Amino acid sequence: DVKVTQSSRYLVKRTGEKVFLECVQDMDHENMFWYRQDPGLGLRLIYFSYDVKMKEKGDIPEGYSVSREKKERFSLILESASTNQTSMYLCASSFFLSGLAIEGQFFGPGTRLTVL
Amino acid sequence: SQQGEEDPQALSIQEGENATMNCSYKTSINNLQWYRQNSGRGLVHLILIRSNEREKHSGRLRVTLDTSKKSSSLLITASRAADTASYFCATFQGAQKLVFGQGTRLTINP
Repeated sequence: DVKVTQSSRYLVKRTGEKVFLECVQDMDHENMFWYRQDPGLGLRLIYFSYDVKMKEKGDIPEGYSVSREKKERFSLILESASTNQTSMYLCASSFFLSGLAIEGQFFGPGTRLTVL
Repeated sequence: SQQGEEDPQALSIQEGENATMNCSYKTSINNLQWYRQNSGRGLVHLILIRSNEREKHSGRLRVTLDTSKKSSSLLITASRAADTASYFCATFQGAQKLVFGQGTRLTINP
């Protein structure tokens, strides 16, 4: 069974704090993703990574950065948290797809972040 | 950018009834996926249907795909209370990125 774990289920931070959200997967997946989920807006991709030290911007990267130093770990960093970053953050992983290979993504349980 | 859009946004039925959710998408696809999300949790991959398939089954789930209409449907038969969740369709944008719709919230009443 693929396991994707996230460091916290609930997190409360203050405006201006630096926030680290950690994600670890145990299936040797090349791809890892960070989404945020907000009511009425669905899931939006923040960043993804298809290899160690590689990263690609998603649809809403502003205010976020990421780090992928090891294959199994993908960190999302909020350099200076703001109230509009209060959200549910979801990490996912998948194999790198080539040719006709198609796979689903495996999600972690989510981190509900509140910025006060 | 949103590729898939689910319909209806919310659905409430009695336990034992069938539930049907629809997804429409805009551009051509290689495959379409359905995911479930229980309240406050991560998404779980349910089923994937390729563009050359018209119908696929997995237990009580039946997915259809009509590429000419750019639409898919997810049918859950003999619904149970545990099926209460949000259901999302997703398609690939580029080689590695999935784009999700906003989901259908399904409530099964006992």
